[in-house]
Amino acid sequence: EIVLTQSPGTLSLSPGERATLSCRASQSVSSNYLAWYQQKPGQAPRLLVYGASTRATGIPDRFSGSGSGTDFTLTISRLEPEDFAVYYCQQYGSSPRTFGQGTKVEIK
Amino acid sequence: QVQLVQSGAEVKKPGASVKVSCKASGYAFSSYGITWVRQAPGQGFEWMGRISTSSGNTNYAQKLQDRVIMTTDTSTSTAYMELRSLRFDDTAVYYCAVGWELRSWGQGTLVTVSS
Repeated sequence: EIVLTQSPGTLSLSPGERATLSCRASQSVSSNYLAWYQQKPGQAPRLLVYGASTRATGIPDRFSGSGSGTDFTLTISRLEPEDFAVYYCQQYGSSPRTFGQGTKVEIK
Repeated sequence: QVQLVQSGAEVKKPGASVKVSCKASGYAFSSYGITWVRQAPGQGFEWMGRISTSSGNTNYAQKLQDRVIMTTDTSTSTAYMELRSLRFDDTAVYYCAVGWELRSWGQGTLVTVSS
């Protein structure tokens, strides 16, 4: 089973700042099948990025994903008020699919 | 657009079973598999398994494979997840999602296991 470790656990930033979230896998993610999701309180998650770097439909271009193998990054170039949420990475290249434990982006 | 609508909240006693439904619309149901994921209160996500909507083949998480059954009804574009022998730690919000990369999610179904 691939273990995904996200860092930091919490990121305290102000609107307009850049956010950099990390997701590290215990072994290489097959075909870079790595996705990022955003979850707000009381809501279902929303797909942001898949295939490590492809933005999902309707996702603003301030969100970008990068990385390959075992190290992946989600970058939010300039935080908007609606971006404060919890972000999860997930690998879907091998079974069982696994999720990271999440990074909370909070308002400083 | 793709929409997944799940059944309502459930309260069950330990040892009972629960069956959650997930009705899909806005796309060809048999084109994409359905994955089930759960989230315990205040926790992260646990992948439960996936069902191919074209073949009916399933792939379950090892820790749940003795208790979970995933099925589909292609005539109504509905997927089902049944969990048996419920325990207190099965209390969670259960989500269905479509596609390999979980492109769209249902709204979630809260299952509470309580005596």
